[in-house]
Amino acid sequence: DAKTTQPPSMDCAEGRAANLPCNHSTISGNEYVYWYRQIHSQGPQYIIHGLKNNETNEMASLIITEDRKSSTLILPHATLRDTAVYYCIVSRSGTSYGKLTFGQGTILTVHP
Amino acid sequence: DGGITQSPKYLFRKEGQNVTLSCEQNLNHDAMYWYRQDPGQGLRLIYYSQIVNDFQKGDIAEGYSVSREKKESFPLTVTSAQKNPTAFYLCASSTRTGTDTQYFGPGTRLTVL
Repeated sequence: DAKTTQPPSMDCAEGRAANLPCNHSTISGNEYVYWYRQIHSQGPQYIIHGLKNNETNEMASLIITEDRKSSTLILPHATLRDTAVYYCIVSRSGTSYGKLTFGQGTILTVHP
Repeated sequence: DGGITQSPKYLFRKEGQNVTLSCEQNLNHDAMYWYRQDPGQGLRLIYYSQIVNDFQKGDIAEGYSVSREKKESFPLTVTSAQKNPTAFYLCASSTRTGTDTQYFGPGTRLTVL
């Protein structure tokens, strides 16, 4: 699976959009981009995933560049409860049976 | 409610004792996973199982053992051979096919004294 690079930490004001970047320059054609988050001392929570197209759900939006070498997770209106570690993961869905590799992620701090 | 349960949330054991962590899911998922997380670090895969009566080693299987006798259950035993067992242990499950989105339990924090 391709390696990902994320900034170690980011800050965001409550009510503003949080844009979390991720680089995955070695991604291959059949690899998906997944985003999870982990609130302190809890299990990770699935947020969103995508292959080529931009995706949106009730939690967030995922923007993948045309060359697929990077992506951005957008939390449109961040709240204090969005403070967490955000993991960007690249995985070959359906072949590795979800064998996800978690790096150190980005610590997002949302402040009042 | 459908989900994954892990018990207990906190567990203390003396050095040299084996300990078994529980993981149960009622999501009807075929695949289940065990991860370990150390402070300030990401998750590392210990074992995973794609189907009942089958499991594979992950990246850090030494000192651990698992069984998968039932679809709903995937217990992890931390043996005395594991040199640094104190950690946060997370169980997850997913469908066997499709997009492999994993759903995680609340975790068990194991402290070996």
